[in-house]
Amino acid sequence: ETGVTQTPRHLVMGMTNKKSLKCEQHLGHNAMYWYKQSAKKPLELMFVYNFKEQTENNSVPSRFSPECPNSSHLFLHLHTLQPEDSALYLCASSQDLGGGSETQYFGPGTRLLVL
Amino acid sequence: AQSVSQHNHHVILSEAASLELGCNYSYGGTVNLFWYVQYPGQHLQLLLKYFSGDPLVKGIKGFEAEFIKSKFSFNLRKPSVQWSDTAEYFCAALGYNTDKLIFGTGTRLQVFP
Repeated sequence: ETGVTQTPRHLVMGMTNKKSLKCEQHLGHNAMYWYKQSAKKPLELMFVYNFKEQTENNSVPSRFSPECPNSSHLFLHLHTLQPEDSALYLCASSQDLGGGSETQYFGPGTRLLVL
Repeated sequence: AQSVSQHNHHVILSEAASLELGCNYSYGGTVNLFWYVQYPGQHLQLLLKYFSGDPLVKGIKGFEAEFIKSKFSFNLRKPSVQWSDTAEYFCAALGYNTDKLIFGTGTRLQVFP
């Protein structure tokens, strides 16, 4: 399955580091999403982009900064993270923002550990 | 508030046993429902979805789910599980005219040969 790819797959960073997560979708979709998956908690939607424009910021702290240069690529820039930010970060895409009728396809995730 | 509940956190079955995983949602209007599966070390994959029509939805790998509007439920079923069904299963809901997919906490299924 290579529809949505994410790099790196694993990342360990200190609280003062700056790193970026990358997501690329090969499905010709227009909408892309970032989710956070923490242990024993539901997946949490972080950001939504449609045609490169951010349409949703789900009250995410500013230490997470998304970037969507085009419909195929989505980045999540990380700086001064906290240990509680350790989680699996998932990228997803869908054809469009269909007002509740679009299926989202997920990447494999980046497992992030903040020390 | 919109929410999805999965009451079975961890299910252990023997091969050939029947499976039913519960999912209840809380939504004020029309809702589309999904089951995703995450096999060990793999990404989330769509198992099946309900948008409209026949409330009994058939998905991949012999799974099915039934949308019961009066019970706000979308339970996942499989008549005979296999060892390869060992995975984590997530129910999700997408409200009509929203773009926010709400997930349940997931159910970890272990199937022993």
